[in-house]
Amino acid sequence: DAKTTQPPSMDCAEGRAANLPCNHSTISGNEYVYWYRQIHSQGPQYIIHGLKNNETNEMASLIITEDRKSSTLILPHATLRDTAVYYCIVRELGGSEKLVFGKGTKLTVNP
Amino acid sequence: GAGVSQTPSNKVTEKGKYVELRCDPISGHTALYWYRQSLGQGPEFLIYFQGTGAADDSGLPNDRFFAVRPEGSVSTLKIQRTERGDSAVYLCASSLNRAETQYFGPGTRLLVL
Repeated sequence: DAKTTQPPSMDCAEGRAANLPCNHSTISGNEYVYWYRQIHSQGPQYIIHGLKNNETNEMASLIITEDRKSSTLILPHATLRDTAVYYCIVRELGGSEKLVFGKGTKLTVNP
Repeated sequence: GAGVSQTPSNKVTEKGKYVELRCDPISGHTALYWYRQSLGQGPEFLIYFQGTGAADDSGLPNDRFFAVRPEGSVSTLKIQRTERGDSAVYLCASSLNRAETQYFGPGTRLLVL
């Protein structure tokens, strides 16, 4: 079973920031938080990952709380092309390395 | 550079038939993964290869499913005696090594009639 909890759906206005929350209250010290997204009929696309520090790349920012029990993915200026299902995944390194997906959050960016 | 590619993009077959699905990973990636995604669900892990060997096949649903990676690059997922419940999108991912980020292909949509 997935170790994360996400809202099933969210809406965001085009040009505004999209903040997608994720709860992972049982995360352990050697587990990373990964975010992927899946645009309709495509394979999942890697966005960003982190362990305990906040991370930023050209696609998004990842904010992880100090206790690591939750995180937020931020798309700073959402566009219509950001409409997708966003998956938050806790991944143990050193184990089997498989990704365990939940149902994710369906983000709809509205014009 | 080229990403993960999968062929065919779509496959329609009849119940009871045998199918092969192919995955070409990113060049130089030693780890390769297969996942299956049913409608409305997130992808589910099937099998993971490190090099030529299957390091974890715990996700294969039964012995009708088998995968190979004979030269440590291309992988083939084989499904015998297909059933209607096998209909899904089969996704392949690869990573530079087991600890690195996984990159996914576009998937093969399998429909068993």
